Amino acid sequence: KQEVTQIPAALSVPEGENLVLNCSFTDSAIYNLQWFRQDPGKGLTSLLLIQSSQREQTSGRLNASLDKSSGRSTLYIAASQPGDSATYLCAVEGNTGNQFYFGTGTSLTVIP
Amino acid sequence: DGGITQSPKYLFRKEGQNVTLSCEQNLNHDAMYWYRQDPGQGLRLIYYSQIVNDFQKGDIAEGYSVSREKKESFPLTVTSAQKNPTAFYLCASSIRRGGNQPQHFGDGTRLSIL
Repeated sequence: KQEVTQIPAALSVPEGENLVLNCSFTDSAIYNLQWFRQDPGKGLTSLLLIQSSQREQTSGRLNASLDKSSGRSTLYIAASQPGDSATYLCAVEGNTGNQFYFGTGTSLTVIP
Repeated sequence: DGGITQSPKYLFRKEGQNVTLSCEQNLNHDAMYWYRQDPGQGLRLIYYSQIVNDFQKGDIAEGYSVSREKKESFPLTVTSAQKNPTAFYLCASSIRRGGNQPQHFGDGTRLSIL
């Protein structure tokens, strides 16, 4: 069974700092990997989706990379802002068994 | 605006009672999903549907039931057989399974036991 792990569980940084969030998964048989943002008491907002054949995706200050062979993905956030404070989750869509698997998330606090 | 609407936002269940959570989407998506989120845990898939009148169990389907009579709607019933129903429930949709398109989520329903 696929296991998705996110490190660190919580992160606190001063405004303006660049940061990296990590996601690892155990089974490389995936369609894609997605990064989501979740604000307290809310649903998830999709940030980036990387297909299994791709290496990275970029959107604004966000860059996500995927190394399927090693089972790793990183989310890079440039020039962090207080509005980036949220929980960030990664999820993989398996291409066998019709399942989605989520990590437990990294809670990010950007201090003004 | 297109999106996913979940209702109610908060729901309370009495012992032995079945309750139904609503999920409606106007994105014309074929696939819909129900997840459960507990504190400190990732989302876990309860049920998903790839097309009208078809649905499949996820990892934690016991104590839950669903229907998909219309493309826009995918209600989830939490039955009395679910002994630990207190959680945050999230509904999502995507164009189709394996379509390499992002999932869109509703704002969730928080279910508690009275």
